[in-house]
Amino acid sequence: AQSVSQHNHHVILSEAASLELGCNYSYGGTVNLFWYVQYPGQHLQLLLKYFSGDPLVKGIKGFEAEFIKSKFSFNLRKPSVQWSDTAEYFCAVGIYNQGGKLIFGQGTELSVKP
Amino acid sequence: DAGVIQSPRHEVTEMGQEVTLRCKPISGHDYLFWYRQTMMRGLELLIYFNNNVPIDDSGMPEDRFSAKMPNASFSTLKIQPSEPRDSAVYFCASSPGTSGSSPLHFGNGTRLTVT
Repeated sequence: AQSVSQHNHHVILSEAASLELGCNYSYGGTVNLFWYVQYPGQHLQLLLKYFSGDPLVKGIKGFEAEFIKSKFSFNLRKPSVQWSDTAEYFCAVGIYNQGGKLIFGQGTELSVKP
Repeated sequence: DAGVIQSPRHEVTEMGQEVTLRCKPISGHDYLFWYRQTMMRGLELLIYFNNNVPIDDSGMPEDRFSAKMPNASFSTLKIQPSEPRDSAVYFCASSPGTSGSSPLHFGNGTRLTVT
């Protein structure tokens, strides 16, 4: 069965530190990849997505992610985090020809200290 | 666009009671999803519909859970009888996508507490 693994359960950083959150998936076929963010008490919102083309994808709020097909990875990065980035981050995989179904990772909670 | 609308926002009920969660997807979206979020298991897909037809309900925990989509603008998730382990946040999401390439638009969720 397809699965998504996020390496870190909880990450604590100081403001201006660089961020990288790991995401790996298990599926050998064509996939679409997403990162969602959930701010405290809110619903999930799309941060960025990859369908095809340039494996380096830029999203909102200065986030970017790189798709490395050989490693089945889609890591999220930000050069300099802010306190307002405190949230939970979810990696998700959409399997081609399985409709709009997304499989989510367990999530990584990011706490940014001011 | 009002987005995906879920009700109620919070539900507290006693074990054994029936619980009904409601969702109105974004107009024009053909796909509707029900997810459950818990600390232990993260986000789990329970069931999803395409054009009001259930496509995959393999994530529904057991027979106590049922979901319906009587028309394109309304869906319900029912738990009968409810149990304390059903306590979670239940999210509804909709999408216009057909190939896994469209992002999901989530509602604000229903926080269910079963005592």
